[in-house]
Amino acid sequence: DARVTQTPRHKVTEMGQEVTMRCQPILGHNTVFWYRQTMMQGLELLAYFRNRAPLDDSGMPKDRFSAEMPDATLATLKIQPSEPRDSAVYFCASGPTRISFADTQYFGPGTRLTVL
Amino acid sequence: TQLLEQSPQFLSIQEGENLTVYCNSSSVFSSLQWYRQEPGEGPVLLVTVVTGGEVKKLKRLTFQFGDARKDSSLHITAAQPGDTGLYLCAGGEGTDKLIFGTGTRLQVFP
Repeated sequence: DARVTQTPRHKVTEMGQEVTMRCQPILGHNTVFWYRQTMMQGLELLAYFRNRAPLDDSGMPKDRFSAEMPDATLATLKIQPSEPRDSAVYFCASGPTRISFADTQYFGPGTRLTVL
Repeated sequence: TQLLEQSPQFLSIQEGENLTVYCNSSSVFSSLQWYRQEPGEGPVLLVTVVTGGEVKKLKRLTFQFGDARKDSSLHITAAQPGDTGLYLCAGGEGTDKLIFGTGTRLQVFP
């Protein structure tokens, strides 16, 4: 049963520290998405990649956030320096290229980040 | 920026009751998806609708896409405690990007 995996599942850090979240997409999926979910803002798209190339990162605060795909099996989201307002659940999702609207995104279990 | 407003925001009902959740936008979407999210998990896709006026049924769940492709509804018949969760609609923008709605948190009591 193929799944998207994310590590760590929980992270508590202090303001100013660097945070790195990792995602392993489903093998064969060439589109990877990073989302952030908070009670106030809901689920927001931060960035997404196709074939490891960034296509859209307009939802991401550029000064402190960065997203990369070092290879097809690993996507990373880094926050440096972290701030309390970054506290949220961060989801990674992967999917095949949506040649059909029936294609879908498969979400990982998320990383719950708390910045003190 | 396209926005998707869901109503109600919260819903608490008894087992066996019927309910409807609405997803509205002023923009036209190429497709509309509904997801359910349980605590500690990511959203899981329930259905995709792509044609205006389309109706899809999934057991006790009925999904409808508005004729103008700006709104959608999810109706649950005879709700069960297992239906408890956060329901999210998501509008398709282009071929990859999804815009998620504000969410409806459903609690079904036995």
